[in-house]
Amino acid sequence: GAVVSQHPSRVICKSGTSVKIECRSLDFQATTMFWYRQFPKQSLMLMATSNEGSKATYEQGVEKDKFLINHASLTLSTLTVTSAHPEDSSFYICSARDTIKETQYFGPGTRLLVL
Amino acid sequence: AQSVTQLGSHVSVSEGALVLLRCNYSSSVPPYLFWYVQYPNQGLQLLLKYTTGATLVKGINGFEAEFKKSETSFHLTKPSAHMSDAAEYFCAVTKSGGGADGLTFGKGTHLIIQP
Repeated sequence: GAVVSQHPSRVICKSGTSVKIECRSLDFQATTMFWYRQFPKQSLMLMATSNEGSKATYEQGVEKDKFLINHASLTLSTLTVTSAHPEDSSFYICSARDTIKETQYFGPGTRLLVL
Repeated sequence: AQSVTQLGSHVSVSEGALVLLRCNYSSSVPPYLFWYVQYPNQGLQLLLKYTTGATLVKGINGFEAEFKKSETSFHLTKPSAHMSDAAEYFCAVTKSGGGADGLTFGKGTHLIIQP
């Protein structure tokens, strides 16, 4: 299957700092990528849709100024958690949509811990 | 809006026995349906998907699922469970039909394989 990478896999930061997470599609071009959040032992919740060259579309209840998304190329989307707080600690997972196969391929996730 | 219900947060079967994980969906448009598997501390791996056409879909690792429109179901089965099948399984539907949107996930089913 297609490969999607995320970096970093784990990050610990202090409250008030910003953290950037990268999502890359390694073997296909993705005009659309998605960002999800997963709390412990729970399902994934869609946070936003990232479209190459345009503004991201955020789901209801997701603060766009807190979770900044940039999709500058067909293989890279970034999620920046600004002024992180302990309640932002979570598992963040991205996916990239393969238009031809009509399938989303998921990255391995980034575990964020805010102290 | 689309929604997914997975019956049973935990399912336990003996090694070699039939695996049946239930998924029901609600959709106002023809759905695109997916099953993903998640191993501990990892991202999601696509098992199989239904978009259009044949309603019985075969996936990786011996899994298959049948789309039943009349029952709004997309149950996942495997004839003979293997220890390596122990994982979390998620059923998902695209948010607004078609294949272009983010996914709405069920709450997941933890599959336990008894030796």
